[in-house]
Amino acid sequence: DAKTTQPTSMDCAEGRAANLPCNHSTISGNEYVYWYRQIHSQGPQYIIHGLKNNETNEMASLIITEDRKSSTLILPHATLRDTAVYYCIVRVGGGGKLIFGQGTELSVKP
Amino acid sequence: DTEVTQTPKHLVMGMTNKKSLKCEQHMGHRAMYWYKQKAKKPPELMFVYSYEKLSINESVPSRFSPECPNSSLLNLHLHALQPEDSALYLCASSQEVGSYGYTFGSGTRLTVV
Repeated sequence: DAKTTQPTSMDCAEGRAANLPCNHSTISGNEYVYWYRQIHSQGPQYIIHGLKNNETNEMASLIITEDRKSSTLILPHATLRDTAVYYCIVRVGGGGKLIFGQGTELSVKP
Repeated sequence: DTEVTQTPKHLVMGMTNKKSLKCEQHMGHRAMYWYKQKAKKPPELMFVYSYEKLSINESVPSRFSPECPNSSLLNLHLHALQPEDSALYLCASSQEVGSYGYTFGSGTRLTVV
């Protein structure tokens, strides 16, 4: 599975959009981009995934560049409860292990 | 029921003890997983079960012994652990091994003394 690179930490003001970047320059054509988050003392939580089109659900939006070498997770109106470690994972569709990288620690501040 | 339940939430054990961690889900998921997470580190995959059969063992030491007695239950048997095995042990499940959304439990925090 391709490797991902994320900033170690980011801050965001409450109510503003949080944009979390992820680089995956070695991604293959059959690999999906997944995002999970882990709030302190809890298990990871699935957020969203995509192959090449932009995706949106009730939690977030996922923007994938046309060359698929990077993506951005957008939390449109961040709240204090969005403070967590966000993991960007690249994984082969229909199989493959879910392997977590170092993630981005997002702090949402009042 | 959309949860993965792990028990106990906390466990302290001596290096000569034998203990077990339990994980249960009633979502009809046929894939179940054990992850280990050390402080300030990402979760690391340990074992994958598919349809109650072990499909992946990530070179985990034999002092960790997984068991899947039925499609809803996953156990992790612990024996002769070392203090460096102290960690948060997370269980997860998904519809199938290739499914996109894993559901994780809140974990068992294990301390080996």
